[in-house]
Amino acid sequence: EPEVTQTPSHQVTQMGQEVILRCVPISNHLYFYWYRQILGQKVEFLVSFYNNEISEKSEIFDDQFSVERPDGSNFTLKIRSTKLEDSAMYFCASSVQEIGELFFGEGSRLTVL
Amino acid sequence: AQSVTQPDIHITVSEGASLELRCNYSYGATPYLFWYVQSPGQGLQLLLKYFSGDTLVQGIKGFEAEFKRSQSSFNLRKPSVHWSDAAEYFCAVGAKTNAGKSTFGDGTTLTVKP
Repeated sequence: EPEVTQTPSHQVTQMGQEVILRCVPISNHLYFYWYRQILGQKVEFLVSFYNNEISEKSEIFDDQFSVERPDGSNFTLKIRSTKLEDSAMYFCASSVQEIGELFFGEGSRLTVL
Repeated sequence: AQSVTQPDIHITVSEGASLELRCNYSYGATPYLFWYVQSPGQGLQLLLKYFSGDTLVQGIKGFEAEFKRSQSSFNLRKPSVHWSDAAEYFCAVGAKTNAGKSTFGDGTTLTVKP
C-alpha cells in the first residue's frame, strides 16, 4: 500500500541551526501539507502546497519556514534558524484531490536544545 | 474561523463495551469533517470522513460517525471496543476551499480496560 514517508524520524539540533525535514508523498498525489504537533497539544496546520507553490499557510508559518519540492518526489520543510518552541512532531501529508483524504506520514520529531 | 471541540480529554471503556467520542465544530458553511486515529509513535490514520450526503458515515475498523447539523456535532461511535482501539482520536474540520487545511481538535485519549 502506498504511503507517505518522512525522514528523519527524530532530529536533535541546537537553537539557531537550520533544519530540513524531508517527505516523500504518495506518487500520484498533487496536494502536499505540513502539520505540526507540539507534545501534548493539538495537530496544527502549517502550510499547503500545490502546483509548486504555497496555496495557504498559517500564522505559525513565518519567514523562518519554507517549503520546497525540489525534484518532483521530495517535499521538504526548512526551518532556517530553529527556536526552542519549534520542538514538535512534524507531519507531512498528501492528497490526490484538493478535497480528499489526507494521507499522513509517521512524523519527524524535532528536538531543539 | 473554523474550530473543533472535543470535550473529553480522556475516556476509559471496557473491552467489548460501546464507545462514543464527542466532537463539536464551528464553521460558517458546510463543513468537511474527519476523524483520525493516532497510535503511540505513529502518524495519523483517517478513520472516516463526511463531505455530503448520508449523515451516517461508516469508516474503517468498525467505526461510524453521525453528522448532526443542528447540533454542530460529528460524534464517533463503535458498538464494541477492542483492546487495539486504545489510541488518541482527533476530530478535524476542513475548509471548503481547501480541505487539506484542516483544523484539529485537542484529541481524546481512549484507554481500553480488559
